[in-house]
Amino acid sequence: GENVEQHPSTLSVQEGDSAVIKCTYSDSASNYFPWYKQELGKGPQLIIDIRSNVGEKKDQRIAVTLNKTAKHFSLHITETQPEDSAVYFCAASMASGGSYIPTFGRGTSLIVHP
Amino acid sequence: NAGVTQTPKFQVLKTGQSMTLQCAQDMNHEYMSWYRQDPGMGLRLIHYSVGAGITDQGEVPNGYNVSRSTTEDFPLRLLSAAPSQTSVYFCASTRDRAVGGELFFGEGSRLTVL
Repeated sequence: GENVEQHPSTLSVQEGDSAVIKCTYSDSASNYFPWYKQELGKGPQLIIDIRSNVGEKKDQRIAVTLNKTAKHFSLHITETQPEDSAVYFCAASMASGGSYIPTFGRGTSLIVHP
Repeated sequence: NAGVTQTPKFQVLKTGQSMTLQCAQDMNHEYMSWYRQDPGMGLRLIHYSVGAGITDQGEVPNGYNVSRSTTEDFPLRLLSAAPSQTSVYFCASTRDRAVGGELFFGEGSRLTVL
């Protein structure tokens, strides 16, 4: 099955700095890569996603890049703010039996210091 | 719309007791799933359903049962709770399982087994 590695497990930055979280996946058939943000006491929420026919996608201060050859993808957050503090999960998925079932990374705890 | 609703939010059980975690969604989503979240382990898939009357096992199904009698509801049953099942459980749904898309998560149910 698919295996997703996520690094770092903890990331501490100063407000205004950039933050980068990296993920690698094992199965070249994976073609959908979402990122979720989980605030304390809440369920994860989708913040951005990318499909394998696209190399980069941006939405205001967040961007995701995908390198299919190397099988890795990254989340970039610019001009970090304290409200960006949360746990971030990457995931990789492919169609299996007609369903997309994501495999999640282990999460990155991002701490933004004011 | 309420989205995905999980009950209870907190539960303490003794080893060997049984209980059911409830999950309901009001978005008419075909696909529903249950995850468990443990520190440093990310989100692991327990069971999922691609429609009423259809269920299948995920990565960590042992000790859990599910059923899907209606589109809206997807309960998770623990028949004989064990301390290893202490975790936070999330229910999630998506509209179109065939193309990959946003998973909508509930707010979680925190279970402690003594």
